[in-house]
Parts: sequence; C-alpha cells; structure tokens
Amino acid sequence: DAGVTQSPTHLIKTRGQHVTLRCSPISGHKSVSWYQQVLGQGPQFIFQYYEKEERGRGNFPDRFSARQFPNYSSELNVNALLLGDSALYLCASSLVGGSSYEQYFGPGTRLTVT
Amino acid sequence: DAKTTQPTSMDCAEGRAANLPCNHSTISGNEYVYWYRQIHSQGPQYIIHGLKNNETNEMASLIITEDRKSSTLILPHATLRDTAVYYCIVRADQTGANNLFFGTGTRLTVIP
Repeated sequence: DAGVTQSPTHLIKTRGQHVTLRCSPISGHKSVSWYQQVLGQGPQFIFQYYEKEERGRGNFPDRFSARQFPNYSSELNVNALLLGDSALYLCASSLVGGSSYEQYFGPGTRLTVT
Repeated sequence: DAKTTQPTSMDCAEGRAANLPCNHSTISGNEYVYWYRQIHSQGPQYIIHGLKNNETNEMASLIITEDRKSSTLILPHATLRDTAVYYCIVRADQTGANNLFFGTGTRLTVIP
C-alpha cells in the first residue's frame, strides 16, 4: 500500500508569492493534518481536516489556509510568503479524526523562500 | 496538553538497549504518553503509546512510572537505523482533534 504522498518534494519561492502544497492520504484515511517544521525544531501543528471539515487550527496567521477534497486529499495554501515560512511542511493522515496515536506522516515538502 | 522534558541528545552502542527518558510532571489523568521518531529527511513515525501500564510492541517498550510523571522508551537492541530524533508527546485523546504537539525531542545516535 502506498503511504502518504506529498508534492512537490522541493519548492523555491520569492517573498510575497503564493504557494500550494498537496497531500494524498493513505487509502481509506479520512483525516489529514498539516505541520510546519522549521530547521532544528519539532513539527508544529497547522491544520487538521476530517471529512472535509476543519477540525483543528494551530497558532498560524490567516495567510495559511487549507482544504480537503471529496477524495480526502488536501491542499495547504500560503499567501504573501515571508522568509520565515521556509520550512519542511509535513502532511499526516489517520483513519479517524480522534486517533492521534496512529498518524502516518508523508516525507514532506521542503519550501525555501528567498 | 502537558509539557514534556527530554535530554537534547544521547548516544548508544549498536546492539545495546537504548533508554530514552521523558519527564511529564504536569500530566493529567486522561493524558496519554506517545512516542514518535523522525529519521533524517523523513516524516515522523509513530512508535508506541500508553496511559499508565507498561506497553510493548515490535518496535519498543514504554515504561511509565507509577505516579505517571515520567516515562522511558526502550529500544531493546539498537541498530544504526534507530539513529533519529525521538519525540515524547503527552496529550488527551479528544474526539475530532488529533493535533500533536512536538517538542525538540532527543537526538539518539547509535554508534557502531
């Protein structure tokens, strides 16, 4: 079975631009969460979507938004990019919304903002 | 969610047991202890979790003290592939919300 997939693998953007990151969960998983990992730190929670509805939001500005599609894949959008948005963006999927112990993470998208 | 404290780094000889401690002195009665690890350039990987009883699976054992204020993750026979950052996370299971709060973790280096 394929694991969580994310695209693109790497991305370079300029300050002020917009970026869209994509995530495909494991087949059958209905919950998708997004995390930001800055170099040297642990991942920080951004969003969780379950059954296409937002179920949780971390402490991130409104420039960050996300959505989940009917096939349970998800997009993370970041507007007006700042240098500080440079990070590894991780997507995690789980079978049900409340089962945090079995979250399966993708390899991440490395975003560099110049 | 309760805060956790872990050593910044540890070394372990290959083939020996790796014991990774975690302090969570403010843990509440309904909060579980979870362990994830992150191998370089990969996403985090779930290892094990427990409430108050010791737990064991194919990857590791989790020992939780009786007062639940600390725990130890044990990798019984560490291999080079176990070199990673290990995160101890304490949270309550809440229906509809499965966000995880990672700290900075313990960087475990397995030495040949």
